Amino acid sequence: EVQLVESGGGLVQPGRSLKLSCAVSGFTFSDYFMAWVRQAPKKGLEWVATITTTGSRTYYPDSVKGRFTISRDNAKSSLYLHMNSLRSEDTATYYCVTIASGDWFVYWGQGTLVTVSS
Amino acid sequence: DIQMTQSPSVLSASVGDRVTINCKASQNINKYLDWYQQKFGEAPKLLIYHTNHLHTGIPSRFSGSGSDIDFTLTISSLQPEDVATYFCLQHNNGYTFGAGTKLELK
Repeated sequence: EVQLVESGGGLVQPGRSLKLSCAVSGFTFSDYFMAWVRQAPKKGLEWVATITTTGSRTYYPDSVKGRFTISRDNAKSSLYLHMNSLRSEDTATYYCVTIASGDWFVYWGQGTLVTVSS
Repeated sequence: DIQMTQSPSVLSASVGDRVTINCKASQNINKYLDWYQQKFGEAPKLLIYHTNHLHTGIPSRFSGSGSDIDFTLTISSLQPEDVATYFCLQHNNGYTFGAGTKLELK
């Protein structure tokens, strides 16, 4: 059974940092690109970051570029998102997502909530 | 950046109805369009990939169509368990989601 389990969310003050983790099982983690997607409360979905199989390349939208860093540890089947200089608009549920070979988002975790507030 | 305009934002239909949800891209996205279902309190789930390919385990009442900039998700006969919010996603250039369609039972 495929499982993606996020952790690390919580309440954080503006300007501070937070690290999210995603533990993966049920498929060969190192074979897949991975991504983070977020959803602000009662809002739509926004792609946040993508990482290639080896971690050699990463991609971000302008809204988080320079503040967020995606990384992975294939030996631990784990995905990470380091978030710096957090803003109130970063408040959202963050989903760990597996990207299929055709570039669609095939597996999703249950999400972890990040609240940025003083 | 590619923009995705999804309609309607809210849809009320009866069990057994044929339901259609639309997404329009701001430019040609070469059929790189997927559909996701998100039930209340749950993570999104892939329904349709690359415009018209049904993901594993998804009921055949769901189908997708379209090309260039106009795409449609169709539920041929609405079931109570289909109550959810539906999102489209383009991945021709980056990733952009539609704003979502909340499907309710009438």
